[in-house]
Amino acid sequence: NAGVTQTPKFQVLKTGQSMTLQCAQDMNHEYMSWYRQDPGMGLRLIHYSVGAGITDQGEVPNGYNVSRSTTEDFPLRLLSAAPSQTSVYFCASSYSKGTQQYFGPGTRLTVT
Amino acid sequence: KNEVEQSPQNLTAQEGEFITINCSYSVGISALHWLQQHPGGGIVSLFMLSSGKKKHGRLIATINIQEKHSSLHITASHPRDSAVYICAVYTGNQFYFGTGTSLTVIP
Repeated sequence: NAGVTQTPKFQVLKTGQSMTLQCAQDMNHEYMSWYRQDPGMGLRLIHYSVGAGITDQGEVPNGYNVSRSTTEDFPLRLLSAAPSQTSVYFCASSYSKGTQQYFGPGTRLTVT
Repeated sequence: KNEVEQSPQNLTAQEGEFITINCSYSVGISALHWLQQHPGGGIVSLFMLSSGKKKHGRLIATINIQEKHSSLHITASHPRDSAVYICAVYTGNQFYFGTGTSLTVIP
């Protein structure tokens, strides 16, 4: 099992550019989520999904879109990148909401 | 307002020492998680507990629901334990994460 995979590992964007962070899991988990991690702050939830076709907003959803067309994949789209979106992004999956989460390796994004 | 507070923020220990990291929370929870973030950035779940105590190798996690407090203990610490330890609570609706305790174990 590969677990949770994320691509890319690093990305530099210019303000206004768009991009998609990819996340996939091979554990048949229903629950998937996207977090951002900033210095001095705890992980913050951006968006989550409780199953294919179902997504919802987390604590900091503005500027991000998600979709869940399959159980395995949960991409995160930045619509028009801003310097405030410079962060490390983690995708996580779990069997159900609130249970042990499995994290991807993270994507370090810099917006200039 | 921080729903989850960890102490200390930073901790340096000599190899072999017994280590305690504390987590206090202010919300009602259904479960508490301890996570480990390696220097390379990866995050691994160590424990999920809702009562009592759990042990895995040299790691022990305890929780006191009435006092809204949890501790993570590391016995016989080793340099490979150097990492950031994160406490997270699940309310039944969402997770709240602490900012982490950075542990350095010196040989």
